[in-house]
Formats: sequence, C-alpha cells, structure tokens
Amino acid sequence: AAGVIQSPRHLIKEKRETATLKCYPIPRHDTVYWYQQGPGQDPQFLISFYEKMQSDKGSIPDRFSAQQFSDYHSELNMSSLELGDSALYFCASRNAYNSPLHFGNGTRLTVT
Amino acid sequence: AQTVTQSQPEMSVQEAETVTLSCTYDTSESDYYLFWYKQPPSRQMILVIRQEAYKQQNATENRFSVNFQKAAKSFSLKISDSQLGDAAMYFCAYRSETSGSRLTFGEGTQLTVNP
Repeated sequence: AAGVIQSPRHLIKEKRETATLKCYPIPRHDTVYWYQQGPGQDPQFLISFYEKMQSDKGSIPDRFSAQQFSDYHSELNMSSLELGDSALYFCASRNAYNSPLHFGNGTRLTVT
Repeated sequence: AQTVTQSQPEMSVQEAETVTLSCTYDTSESDYYLFWYKQPPSRQMILVIRQEAYKQQNATENRFSVNFQKAAKSFSLKISDSQLGDAAMYFCAYRSETSGSRLTFGEGTQLTVNP
C-alpha cells in the first residue's frame, strides 16, 4: 500500500540558510499535518492543512511557512535556520473524519 | 488544552511475557480518539492501536490491547507475548475532532525486550 512520502530523508544546512521539506500524502488523503521531533522529545504539532487551506496551527515559528498544493502535496519552508531547528520533521496524512494519521518516515534536518 | 502523560520513561520485559504501558490524559471534551504509536530505532511512527472514546469496548489488535478507562482518563497498552521486534519508543496520543484534530503526544516510554 502507498504510504506518505517525505523528501529529502536527510538534509544538512548551515545557520541562516533556507530549507524546503516536501510531503506527498497517501492518495485520496485530503489532510496533511507537520510535526517536529527534537532529540529525545515527543513530536510537536506545527501546522495542518485540509483541502489546501490551513486548518490548524501549533507551535510553528514565524520563520517557517507551509502550504498544500492542488495535488495535495505539502511543503514546509524554513528560513533563517537556527541550530535549534535540528530535528526530525514528520508529515502525516489522513482522509476522513475518524481515520488515524499515517506518518511518513520523516526528514532529518541538521543545522550546523 | 489537552495534555497526555506517560509516567514511565523506560520499561523492560522478557521475551514472551506481558508488559503494560501507562498513559493518562486530561481533557474536558467527550468526543476524542486515543492512539498508541510505536517508534523503533528507524524513527518511523507506526500506528499500533486506536480507541474511540465513545466505544466502551477496549480495542485489540493481535498481541496489543488497551485498557481504556474513560472516567479515570486512562489509556494503557498491554503487549502480550512480547517479541524482540516490539522494542521501541511508544507514544500515547490524543486527538479531538473539535479542536483542529491535531495529535497531542505523551513524552514516550522506551520499551526494551530482553531475550
């Protein structure tokens, strides 16, 4: 079965650089979520989109922005990167009111 | 705001035995969902089991079952016949359909399975 695809798997950036993370949800899933998991931490909700509109916003820094495109894929744009942004970034998707979230394998971002 | 608490940072179990991971949550809502996710060393997030709050019957998925106590706001995970592949970080998670449907995770419990 198709899963949530995230790219890249690993990304190394320097401070103050910009990064773009991509997420391709499971086909026919209309809702996408982004989570950030710092080292040894539980995942923290950043932002979500339903039918290409932002549906919820969590602890996402102003330096970050995201959108969902017409093909339902989503991109998380991160600017002015800081060392503290180093984390595993998960995308998850779902397709219905009470369906569970399905997570991608994550993008590991390292900021040096 | 909803909170999820896992009071056991680490647990261990002998292979083939049973272990129970604890989770409590705090909410004022009546309609919500609870989940257990497993995160092995590969760092994937894998859904283990889910429970709808309106269902009184405890969810079961093969060797995994939950003890859902709504009044006590408790949602423990029981793993029977533990296998080496069960070793992972386990996260309890809460989701309300009335507040954006985001998942709120507990701090996680690191499960070690001893051969």
